Amino acid sequence: DAKTTQPPSMDCAEGRAANLPCNHSTISGNEYVYWYRQIHSQGPQYIIHGLKNNETNEMASLIITEDRKSSTLILPHATLRDTAVYYCIAPVSFGNEKLTFGTGTRLTIIP
Amino acid sequence: GAVVSQHPSWVICKSGTSVKIECRSLDFQATTMFWYRQFPKQSLMLMATSNEGSKATYEQGVEKDKFLINHASLTLSTLTVTSAHPEDSSFYICSASQDRGIDEAFFGQGTRLTVV
Repeated sequence: DAKTTQPPSMDCAEGRAANLPCNHSTISGNEYVYWYRQIHSQGPQYIIHGLKNNETNEMASLIITEDRKSSTLILPHATLRDTAVYYCIAPVSFGNEKLTFGTGTRLTIIP
Repeated sequence: GAVVSQHPSWVICKSGTSVKIECRSLDFQATTMFWYRQFPKQSLMLMATSNEGSKATYEQGVEKDKFLINHASLTLSTLTVTSAHPEDSSFYICSASQDRGIDEAFFGQGTRLTVV
């Protein structure tokens, strides 16, 4: 998997947009960027993935830079239930093969 | 969306006994499932790849005789922790995907194992 780098922790006020950065400067052309999150004592939850273009779904938006060396996950209106550890993963194999989890970003939503 | 279910959610066992954890794909078939382990305040670490109808593939440093994996059907994989010891206490998580490709992985809710 391409190495990813994320800040260890971030705070965001409830109702504001949470922007979580991820650096993946060694990513190759066929490697997708995936985001998962893990709420305390639960299994990880898929959020979104993308290759080149920006993506949006009901949970979040994913902005990938043109050179694909970094991306940003955006939670548009953060709620307290969004408090979790967020993992950015760029698997070398297909997205549903074995995943290498880094340390992720611990996002805390502040009331 | 696809659902992966683990059972039990938590288990406490005595040192030296064996514990079986089940991972089921409820609404899809999964030829491949994955088992992860997570220690407190650490990230998930892949333990093994469970292949339906064949032997599991273990990651380096994971004892295959201690962590027995059986994937007897397309919807069920089991992880048995044999002769459990307190250092095996951890959060065990499985994942599965509907198709091999770019689709996302679905994770079970995890099993908290405490060995006393």
